[in-house]
Amino acid sequence: NAGVTQTPKFQVLKTGQSMTLQCAQDMNHEYMSWYRQDPGMGLRLIHYSVGAGITDQGEVPNGYNVSRSTTEDFPLRLLSAAPSQTSVYFCASTGGLQGLSGPYGYTFGSGTRLTVV
Amino acid sequence: AQKITQTQPGMFVQEKEAVTLDCTYDTSDPSYGLFWYKQPSSGEMIFLIYQGSYDQQNATEGRYSLNFQKARKSANLVISASQLGDSAMYFCAMREVLSGTYKYIFGTGTRLKVLA
Repeated sequence: NAGVTQTPKFQVLKTGQSMTLQCAQDMNHEYMSWYRQDPGMGLRLIHYSVGAGITDQGEVPNGYNVSRSTTEDFPLRLLSAAPSQTSVYFCASTGGLQGLSGPYGYTFGSGTRLTVV
Repeated sequence: AQKITQTQPGMFVQEKEAVTLDCTYDTSDPSYGLFWYKQPSSGEMIFLIYQGSYDQQNATEGRYSLNFQKARKSANLVISASQLGDSAMYFCAMREVLSGTYKYIFGTGTRLKVLA
C-alpha cells in the first residue's frame, strides 16, 4: 500500500544509546519531515527536507540528525538518547514540490513510541 | 511567540449538534496554508481540510468546514452534525515559506468528545 512507513513502532533505549528511526515513502513526495508529539505540546517539527540532499532544522532539532540521500528515505538519528527525548515520533510527507504551495496535506506514518530510561 | 494557537484544550458536543474548534495563527508569509488534522485514540493522523491564504471562499469537505477570517488571523474548524466517531484530538497547522525555509507548524490541539 502506498504511504509512509515508519519503523520501529516501539523502542526502549538506555540513556546515552544511539539509534535511527526509519522513514520511507513511495509516493514520490519531495517534502518530508519529522515531528515529536508530547502531551499538551502538539506536534513539534524536528527536521525537514525539501528533496534529496537538502535538509533543514525545525523547532526542536537539538539531539537529532537527519539525512536525505534518496527521495524515498528520511531517517532520523538520535545521537545520544536522553530521557527528554521520550516521545512519540511521526514522519510525514507531502505531495511533490507543489506540496509547498498547493492544497496538499501531510501523509503521516503510524508513529514510533520511544522511551528513554 | 506562538505561531499557531488553539485555546481550547477540551470540548464537549452533543451528538448531531455542530461544534467549532478555534485556531488563530501568525505569519508574515503572504502565501501561507492552513490545515486541520484529526487524531483518533488509535494514534494515526488524518488530514481533514485545507485553506489557502488567497482563497476567497471558506473550504468545505463533507461535514467539515473552515471558517477563515483573514483579518482576524483565525481559521476555525466547524464540524456539523457531530458523530460519536468524531471524538478525537484535532490539530490546526500552518504551512509557511519564509526566507528560504519551508515549515509546517502545528498547534497544541483540542480534544473533542462527542456525547451520545
